[in-house]
Amino acid sequence: GAVVSQHPSWVICKSGTSVKIECRSLDFQATTMFWYRQFPKQSLMLMATSNEGSKATYEQGVEKDKFLINHASLTLSTLTVTSAHPEDSSFYICSARGPLNQPQHFGDGTRLSIL
Amino acid sequence: DAKTTQPTSMDCAEGRAANLPCNHSTISGNEYVYWYRQIHSQGPQYIIHGLKNNETNEMASLIITEDRKSSTLILPHATLRDTAVYYCIVRVGGGNKLVFGAGTILRVKS
Repeated sequence: GAVVSQHPSWVICKSGTSVKIECRSLDFQATTMFWYRQFPKQSLMLMATSNEGSKATYEQGVEKDKFLINHASLTLSTLTVTSAHPEDSSFYICSARGPLNQPQHFGDGTRLSIL
Repeated sequence: DAKTTQPTSMDCAEGRAANLPCNHSTISGNEYVYWYRQIHSQGPQYIIHGLKNNETNEMASLIITEDRKSSTLILPHATLRDTAVYYCIVRVGGGNKLVFGAGTILRVKS
């Protein structure tokens, strides 16, 4: 089945640093990738949608300069949390989809902790 | 995309069928019903999706009512590993977003 790999699984870093999270579709070409964030005991919140080779579309309230998304190829998207602060600590999850009408498949998430 | 309503939680005995309902009374004709589940501290796992016909795969069956205003996900023989949050989502075919609601916490008990 479709596999989406997300790296790293968890990261702890100091306040003010930038953190990059990678999302790869391993066995299919992902025309569209999505980034979600999940706080404890809450549901997933969509942050942004990206199509290969074009700028990401951010959901209302998500700072595009804070959360930089790059979707440079059909198998790789990256999310960079710039100048991270403790309030950015969360579970970040990517997903990818191939052709239209096909389901999205999710990575296993990245747990980010900012000290 | 149409909104869905699911019970907050359900319990199921191990080995029995788990029937998870979902109400989507405002669904449009071109919207699909998707089911995902999320086991603690993991990313959501795709289970099944359908438009108007009942669907079955190796994981589950999806029963959609004739008026398409509700559906039921059936796990035929629930195991302890099926304990998870189950999300029912409707989305326009070809649409981009999957918007997650609160889902149903399914607890499978021995």
